[in-house]
Amino acid sequence: AQTVTQSQPEMSVQEAETVTLSCTYDTSESDYYLFWYKQPPSRQMILVIRQEAYKQQNATENRFSVNFQKAAKSFSLKISDSQLGDAAMYFCAYRYSQGGSEKLVFGKGTKLTVNP
Amino acid sequence: DAGITQSPRHKVTETGTPVTLRCHQTENHRYMYWYRQDPGHGLRLIHYSYGVKDTDKGEVSDGYSVSRSKTEDFLLTLESATSSQTSVYFCAISVGGFTDTQYFGPGTRLTVL
Repeated sequence: AQTVTQSQPEMSVQEAETVTLSCTYDTSESDYYLFWYKQPPSRQMILVIRQEAYKQQNATENRFSVNFQKAAKSFSLKISDSQLGDAAMYFCAYRYSQGGSEKLVFGKGTKLTVNP
Repeated sequence: DAGITQSPRHKVTETGTPVTLRCHQTENHRYMYWYRQDPGHGLRLIHYSYGVKDTDKGEVSDGYSVSRSKTEDFLLTLESATSSQTSVYFCAISVGGFTDTQYFGPGTRLTVL
């Protein structure tokens, strides 16, 4: 079974500081994709960053970067220079193909609070 | 936002009544998904579609059915709503297929009394 685990239900960070959110996953697949989504109070799910499993280079999007450790099945998200607008629920997700169709499995989320 | 809308945005209904939620996209994407989000469970896939009239089950499909008669619309039906189906429902689309990412609609809050 494909599972995604986010071990930190809640995290907090001071404005302008750096925070890292953890994510581990369990899979027997070799070809897959990993994502971090942000869900603000509006509940819309916003794609933050994605990582292809076959790429060794860690993905980066502005202040957001990942530490992808394929052998350890770890996919953490680092937010640099945290801003008040970063406060939200963050979901790690794993996407794979099964029988020609796509599946997406989510972790249970980490609530990030940004303190001024 | 990939042109995804959901209707209604909020609905309150009674146990045993049928409910249909609509997801509409404007950009002709092939893949569409229905998820539910509940505290402590994160997002769980209900059903998905990979083309007109092509649908498949997700991990929590019991009590739900879907239909996709045209590319832009994906309907989720609760044949006989139960209180356990009180949740926030998200529709999503895949941009470019498997090698690309999913984008989500704004969500529908459904309460079954």
